[in-house]
Amino acid sequence: GQNIDQPTEMTATEGAIVQINCTYQTSGFNGLFWYQQHAGEAPTFLSYNVLDGLEEKGRFSSFLSRSKGYSYLLLKELQMKDSASYLCAVRDSNYQLIWGAGTKLIIKP
Amino acid sequence: DTEVTQTPKHLVMGMTNKKSLKCEQHMGHRAMYWYKQKAKKPPELMFVYSYEKLSINESVPSRFSPECPNSSLLNLHLHALQPEDSALYLCASSQTSGWGGTDTQYFGPGTRLTVL
Repeated sequence: GQNIDQPTEMTATEGAIVQINCTYQTSGFNGLFWYQQHAGEAPTFLSYNVLDGLEEKGRFSSFLSRSKGYSYLLLKELQMKDSASYLCAVRDSNYQLIWGAGTKLIIKP
Repeated sequence: DTEVTQTPKHLVMGMTNKKSLKCEQHMGHRAMYWYKQKAKKPPELMFVYSYEKLSINESVPSRFSPECPNSSLLNLHLHALQPEDSALYLCASSQTSGWGGTDTQYFGPGTRLTVL
């Protein structure tokens, strides 16, 4: 079967750094996406990785290791507005997105 | 511009009503998607349209009927829904639904549907 695992919930402090991990087992791999979703709103695209390594975009970075079936999203200089759910999604051999259950990130002052 | 618009924002309907959800994008994307999302769960794929043709139907009950009138518009017709169909309905679009670079899916704001 296809499976994506993320921690259910994480807590971090404003101004700090947090790393959200995602491990996956899918039938094929054609890229991994991270989305941010605030409560009651639509997911917004954060990053895309298809090759191994780190992709940096401002305060957010995403890392991929295809051999380990592993990715992480790194958020630096945390702000209160970063409180949201972070969804990891893998595009499989049929080019369909397989979604993780999401990680709820709580930022404390 | 990565905007996908959806109307209405909120919808309350009875089990005997017929209503439609609308989605529009002007990014020239040729793939459009309907997702259903329950609270604290990831989006669940319902339908995929590729070049205005239905390419994926994830065994969705016939009380949900999608329609793609043209490459910019996607509708979801609702009839005889059940209370358990209450959810956030999300529309998304991407350049294509197959190989084509990142093919990132961009989501609309969603329609919050309540079935009484």
